[in-house]
This record gives sequence, C-alpha cells and structure tokens, in this order.
Amino acid sequence: DAGVIQSPRHEVTEMGQEVTLRCKPISGHDYLFWYRQTMMRGLELLIYFNNNVPIDDSGMPEDRFSAKMPNASFSTLKIQPSEPRDSAVYFCASSLAPGGMNTEAFFGQGTRLTVV
Amino acid sequence: SQQGEEDPQALSIQEGENATMNCSYKTSINNLQWYRQNSGRGLVHLILIRSNEREKHSGRLRVTLDTSKKSSSLLITASRAADTASYFCATVPQGGKLIFGQGTELSVKP
Repeated sequence: DAGVIQSPRHEVTEMGQEVTLRCKPISGHDYLFWYRQTMMRGLELLIYFNNNVPIDDSGMPEDRFSAKMPNASFSTLKIQPSEPRDSAVYFCASSLAPGGMNTEAFFGQGTRLTVV
Repeated sequence: SQQGEEDPQALSIQEGENATMNCSYKTSINNLQWYRQNSGRGLVHLILIRSNEREKHSGRLRVTLDTSKKSSSLLITASRAADTASYFCATVPQGGKLIFGQGTELSVKP
C-alpha cells in the first residue's frame, strides 16, 4: 500500500478563495482523522470519521470548515472562504478500528496551506 | 483541548547520550502512543503501550506508562544525529479519538 495520500502538497491561495484538501486513506482502515498543525497551537484534531460517518467534529474551528467522506477511499476538507489565519499544515491520518490489537495511526505527508 | 503535555519542550544532547521525554495526560485512556516528526514531514508511529502495560521496548526505545500518575516517558538510548526530530505522545481515550500533545523538540549534536 502507498500509505495515506494527500493532495496537494502545497497550496497558496488568496483570502476569500475556496480551498479543498484531499485525502486517500489506507485501504481497509475504518478511521480517518483530519489534523491541523501550527506553531502556536500544535496538532489539533479537527474531525474524525468512522466507516465514512463523521463521529466528532468539535475541533472544526468555524462554519467555514467542512469535511466529507463520500466513500471509504476518499475524504475532503474544504475551507470557504479562506482567511490568512487558516495558514497551517493539514494532515490526514487513518487507522484500523480501535478495540483491535493495534490502533496506530498512519499519517500522510500533509498539505501546507498558505492564505495570503 | 490537548490531552497530553510533553516535557521538556526542547532537549539538546550529544550523540551517544540518552534522551528522556515525558508526557502527562488528563483522562483515562485505552492506550498511549509515541510519534516522531521530522521537519516538514508527516508523523511516524514509534510505539504503542496499552493501559494494562507498564513498560515496552522497541530497539533503542523504551516506553513506560504509569496510569496512576497519568504519565508516560520515552527513552531513546545511545542517541544519534538522525534521531533529531519532534516527538509527540498521543492518547486514545475511549472512543478512538487520537489526541496529541505539544511535542518535544529533540536535537542530537554529532
């Protein structure tokens, strides 16, 4: 397996534009997580899905952020409209269902978003 | 809010020395995990310790867990320059939500 795949790797956009980040989890993983990493706030959990269903979105900062998982192999995180304070590295991670023997998460390489 | 807090925030040592990082958390957990992040890269899983385990080894890594104190430590023995990275503890409370601490930035000087 190629691991968790995120695209794009880098995104520069102007304030007010819509941004869509994409993630392909590892096949067979039931959980998918979206994180945001900044120097000031560290790694923040934004939302996570179990079997394509959003379980906890309490970390989504504002209504400008939305996430979907239309099927087991694809998820998107959308920011509309984007603002400079959204600049961060966004990570997607996937893992097997907890309760099994091993629940480690596998991370993608991240998308570095810059909003100017 | 963050579940885990690492200590120290930054650590600088010489190659060959041991590095110890600590993590404290707030609520009961299913397991605790340590991850490593090289600059500009994603996080990589190092080791997982379950709530009913007290110590675990993997190569040069040794992890301990004290659930009564809600704390864990990661020891890297005989450090190498290539160990330079940020190290994060992550807790898994009931429900599967993986929550990370702020991390310890380790610098190993050759």
